[in-house]
Amino acid sequence: QSVLRQPPSVSGAPGQTVTISCTGSRSNIGAPYDVHWYQQLPGAAPKVVIYSNNNRPSGVPDRFSGSKSGTAASLTIAGLQAEDEAEYYCQSSDSSLSGAKVFGGGTRLSVL
Amino acid sequence: QVQLQESGPGLVKPSQTLSLTCTVSGDSITSGSYFWNWIRQPAGKGLEWIGRMHTRGSANYNPSLKGRVTISLDESKNQVSLNLESVTAADTADYYCARDFEYRSFYYYMDVWGRGTPVTVSS
Repeated sequence: QSVLRQPPSVSGAPGQTVTISCTGSRSNIGAPYDVHWYQQLPGAAPKVVIYSNNNRPSGVPDRFSGSKSGTAASLTIAGLQAEDEAEYYCQSSDSSLSGAKVFGGGTRLSVL
Repeated sequence: QVQLQESGPGLVKPSQTLSLTCTVSGDSITSGSYFWNWIRQPAGKGLEWIGRMHTRGSANYNPSLKGRVTISLDESKNQVSLNLESVTAADTADYYCARDFEYRSFYYYMDVWGRGTPVTVSS
């Protein structure tokens, strides 16, 4: 069972907007440690799409955005495209685990 | 452009030590202020952070691995190594190395990942 909780799956039609939630606790997201989001395409390594709660690395489309409030964070993908179909993981750190990095269980995004 | 490539034996017997190497190209592993991480992913499951080593020698490990893990840097070979002792079938997974980028003082995210290497623990 993952320290950070994510819905197992979300879906949306092309062009729509979807949001993936990541729920933690006062020892991680609420500590407050930053939240990062990784995209994992089938058969590939994870790739960061959002770092430090709401920052996009260069090369990531501005359709991707993030937010954080209290002990939860979310990733929003606007204008869904077929290429967005992937597994998404949130990641933070946890003070009760000596600052260890912790991940959410992952959310499978399906583009219908 | 920095690239990471994991390598190691694909099959390890139970109770033995798993040893993997991450070869870094495009930059020296000791240049800058980076941590070098290991992460694993059992087939069809989520990501688990194993631990990391800083270019200046400090290390952090996942407490859940109960002291079985050692990560080290070999500057002469530009490699990051992982040793995991007393393996069981539960250690079967894809293993990734990743670089931690410091975006703010003492704050990091994993900006470069290797493609991963599969490891099976079986007799």
